[in-house]
Order: sequence, then structure tokens, then C-alpha cells
Amino acid sequence: GAVVSQHPSRVICKSGTSVKIECRSLDFQATTMFWYRQFPKQSLMLMATSNEGSKATYEQGVEKDKFLINHASLTLSTLTVTSAHPEDSSFYICSAQNPLGGQYFGPGTRLTVT
Amino acid sequence: EDKVVQSPLSLVVHEGDTVTLNCSYEVTNFRSLLWYKQEKKAPTFLFMLTSSGIEKKSGRLSSILDKKELSSILNITATQTGDSAIYLCAVEARDSGYALNFGKGTSLLVTP
Repeated sequence: GAVVSQHPSRVICKSGTSVKIECRSLDFQATTMFWYRQFPKQSLMLMATSNEGSKATYEQGVEKDKFLINHASLTLSTLTVTSAHPEDSSFYICSAQNPLGGQYFGPGTRLTVT
Repeated sequence: EDKVVQSPLSLVVHEGDTVTLNCSYEVTNFRSLLWYKQEKKAPTFLFMLTSSGIEKKSGRLSSILDKKELSSILNITATQTGDSAIYLCAVEARDSGYALNFGKGTSLLVTP
């Protein structure tokens, strides 16, 4: 099946620093990728839609200046959490829309902000 | 507002049992319904359903969509402990640009 990778799988950073998470579609080109956030024992909440070559579309309540998304190529989208705070600690998951159908998820990134 | 509701929220069964998980939705301009299995990490894709009444099957798992009732079921027969996971239902709307609206999930525990 389609493969989507995410890097890093786990990151610990200090308050006030920025963290970049990469999402790659390995065997298909994805013009659209998505970033989700998942709190413990809760479902996935869509943060933003990342479109190749254009600005990301953010869901209501998601700060675009805090969660910077760049979709520079058809196989790579990045999410940068800027000036991270402990409340940003979460599980971040990306997904890529396969042009042939279906949305495939990366393995997720566990972010801990101390 | 678009809504996806899964039931039950949690379920405990014995190995060998058959389970049925439910998903109902209220979505404007429905395009597809997807089922995912989530264990410790990110969800893995199970099925995508777009047409009503056509069963999709993969091993012991099967799923069907009922567009009239705005619902879908996921069946797992002869359950195994490895089936223990959270099963997520998500719906995609035509005007959402492929973004998925997830239900809260059903947590399934299969005991030996």
C-alpha cells in the first residue's frame, strides 16, 4: 500500500524553541497533505490542509503563525511549531491524499515540550 | 455542522466473537466514508466506501455503506487479540478538499 513517512517520530524540545516535522509521501505524488493533532484518548483533529505550491488552509482556532506549514514539493510537507509551549505537546500526524484515491497517514510525531 | 458519530465508544469481546462497529454521519455533499485502525501510532487504512450497498471485504474484516441511512458498519469475524485497537470512521465531503472529519472512534479490546 501507499507509504507516508514522518520525521522525527519523537522529539523533546524546550519551551520557546521551534520544531520542524517532515511528512513525505514515498510512492505517490500528493498535491494535498493534511496535518492532524491528536490528544490522548481523543480522535484526530484536523489542523490544516497543505497544498503544494500555495498557502495552507488552517482550521478555525489553529494559529497559522504558530504552526507554519510549507508544501514545497509534491512529496514533502513540513510543519514547524514555533515558540513551542508545553501545551503544544501532542501527537502530530500528517496524511497525504493519493491521487488514485484514499488518504494515507504517516506514523506520527510525538512532541514533548518541557 | 458536519458530524460523524461512532458507536459503541468501547467494546470488550472474547477471541472468536464477531463484532459490529457503527458509524453514522451528517455531512453536506458526501463523497466517501473511510475506516481506519489505530493501534499505538497513526491510523492504518482499512476501507474506503463511496457506493451504497456494496460490501468491501479484507480477510475477516468487511464494511458496507448505507447512504439512505447515512451510516456504515464495520464487521470483524472470528476476532483475535491482534484486532484490539481503536477503529476510526471518517467522512470526506466533496467541498472539503479531501479533508477528513473523524468520529471519536470505537476502542475494541479482544481478550484471550
